[in-house]
Amino acid sequence: EAGVTQFPSHSVIEKGQTVTLRCDPISGHDNLYWYRRVMGKEIKFLLHFVKESKQDESGMPNNRFLAERTGGTYSTLKVQPAELEDSGVYFCASSPSGYTDTQYFGPGTRLTVL
Amino acid sequence: GDSVTQMEGPVTLSEEAFLTINCTYTATGYPSLFWYVQYPGEGLQLLLKATKADDKGSNKGFEATYRKETTSFHLEKGSVQVSDSAVYFCALSRSNYQLIWGAGTKLIIKP
Repeated sequence: EAGVTQFPSHSVIEKGQTVTLRCDPISGHDNLYWYRRVMGKEIKFLLHFVKESKQDESGMPNNRFLAERTGGTYSTLKVQPAELEDSGVYFCASSPSGYTDTQYFGPGTRLTVL
Repeated sequence: GDSVTQMEGPVTLSEEAFLTINCTYTATGYPSLFWYVQYPGEGLQLLLKATKADDKGSNKGFEATYRKETTSFHLEKGSVQVSDSAVYFCALSRSNYQLIWGAGTKLIIKP
């Protein structure tokens, strides 16, 4: 069974540009989560999808961040326009329907905003 | 609000030494507790978990016991190996399934 995959593994962009991160959850997992770790800080929750619906987006830092999960499969996280403080590692995780205690994580996308 | 506090690193040990990484938490209700590990160049992997008081999670020689009276979930291993070098994260799960994380502890094992 393939694990959670994320693309790209590393992105370097300039301040003001747009970046889109992609996450492919484990096949059949209805729950999808985004987290990020800004350098030197704790990993923080961003949002939670159940299928294509946003269940909880309380962790999204501001309206420059837009997450989508069309069709309830893969998800994208767009940052527009990117700011310096957005640099960090963005993790995606998934879990099966009805059992969200254990989340399975992808390798992360390291975003560097210059 | 809910929070997790881990001992600061890096923690440097010699091979075969005993390991303890402290983790304490603050939470309302009865959260599930987790240890995740991130090996160099890899993603986060669940190492072990415990879902209720006095539960002991174990995996790969690592253990942690859910202590409600001390609000702790300390990670232990009797004899560490160089391959255990990684960053270890303690986390708790809220009822709404958000994971709340500690800052991470970098572990360095020297041969």
